[in-house]
Amino acid sequence: GESVGLHLPTLSVQEGDNSIINCAYSNSASDYFIWYKQESGKGPQFIIDIRSNMDKRQGQRVTVLLNKTVKHLSLQIAATQPGDSAVYFCAEIEVKTSYDKVIFGPGTSLSVIP
Amino acid sequence: GAGVSQSPRYKVAKRGQDVALRCDPISGHVSLFWYQQALGQGPEFLTYFQNEAQLDKSGLPSDRFFAERPEGSVSTLKIQRTQQEDSAVYLCASSPSPRNTEAFFGQGTRLTVV
Repeated sequence: GESVGLHLPTLSVQEGDNSIINCAYSNSASDYFIWYKQESGKGPQFIIDIRSNMDKRQGQRVTVLLNKTVKHLSLQIAATQPGDSAVYFCAEIEVKTSYDKVIFGPGTSLSVIP
Repeated sequence: GAGVSQSPRYKVAKRGQDVALRCDPISGHVSLFWYQQALGQGPEFLTYFQNEAQLDKSGLPSDRFFAERPEGSVSTLKIQRTQQEDSAVYLCASSPSPRNTEAFFGQGTRLTVV
């Protein structure tokens, strides 16, 4: 059968527009969530996190929204720039006894059109 | 160096060959993680070290995979009798404390088994 993982969802936006990247998560008991950015040939880079008792958190040009009712997370990037082109992953954090375990979602590829 | 360093960057192995992938974490970082990232997918957890102790190896796909961090610094991920399905990018991340998920990732080692 088809391997869904080989076909990343892709979002194309015009430079200067706002971008919204969505993510559905599965574990309602996750303590918090992280958005990562991964550029080609590099490892994931932390962007922003949000605790499960929050609905919204803002950073520099980024906002994360959490809707626990429908298990949905979104990342909004304001005034998208060419340097924002990358794959974006949401991740659920499972707090274990001795460390926090990161469980990555499937990712969305963002392409910024100059 | 200032970041997490992984070597080699690229490795081509013949099926059945053993390989060793190295991770040099940021100096002083207590936590070290290994992930496997298949093409077009998010990283998947393999194993976690806290100093020299391997506290979680639940993500290792089979007993052909083995990781060590004998002195609590450099870590090696070894794969014995490589198979085609082992082809992936292997990412290492380190963080200053067990509870800090703002881990810094290396650039990864791309393993291709032919």
